[in-house]
Amino acid sequence: SAVISQKPSRDICQRGTSLTIQCQVDSQVTMMFWYRQQPGQSLTLIATANQGSEATYESGFVIDKFPISRPNLTFSTLTVSNMSPEDSSIYLCSVDGDRQGRQDPQYFGPGTRLTVL
Amino acid sequence: AQTVTQSQPEMSVQEAETVTLSCTYDTSESDYYLFWYKQPPSRQMILVIRQEAYKQQNATENRFSVNFQKAAKSFSLKISDSQLGDAAMYFCAYRVLYGGSQGNLIFGKGTKLSVKP
Repeated sequence: SAVISQKPSRDICQRGTSLTIQCQVDSQVTMMFWYRQQPGQSLTLIATANQGSEATYESGFVIDKFPISRPNLTFSTLTVSNMSPEDSSIYLCSVDGDRQGRQDPQYFGPGTRLTVL
Repeated sequence: AQTVTQSQPEMSVQEAETVTLSCTYDTSESDYYLFWYKQPPSRQMILVIRQEAYKQQNATENRFSVNFQKAAKSFSLKISDSQLGDAAMYFCAYRVLYGGSQGNLIFGKGTKLSVKP
């Protein structure tokens, strides 16, 4: 399994500002994923980040709002830009457990709880 | 499009009793994975159990087992000998395989399980 850490664990931000969330994995992984979990809701995939290429965004999410970096195989960042109260959510990073296997579940970080005032 | 439906927003079980959480999914694919994830109040997503669609045998992990009915597209989770620590949100998730490559995880809306002492 993979051990994933996220920073910050929580933050309270003002409208119009930006926050960058970091995700660190204890092993090299090909694919990293960013999810949003709005209060009381399920998880929605924001984008998939592969090292060395542009992130692939899901419908309803755009790079200008959620720029992602993936500088190496163990690290990624997600920025929430020009925040509004509607961006208040838990943001979760996840990875595939193994670069090679079919048998991989996704492992999740502890999440970042963002509150926008 | 693939969808995952959890028809029970909330469930309750007495400690030491057995509870079954329901999940149905819709797909035209034949090769895919199904998962149950647990999210306690700490919000850490924890993999509970997984099932490969090509396997007829139901997966089992200690007190957790599934009833996988591929024709009916049903994937229920049974928790035996329920413990207080089982109280959490439970998410059913689906992941398709495309020619050996894994697609995205698609989550249901979740079932909140309460365990009564």
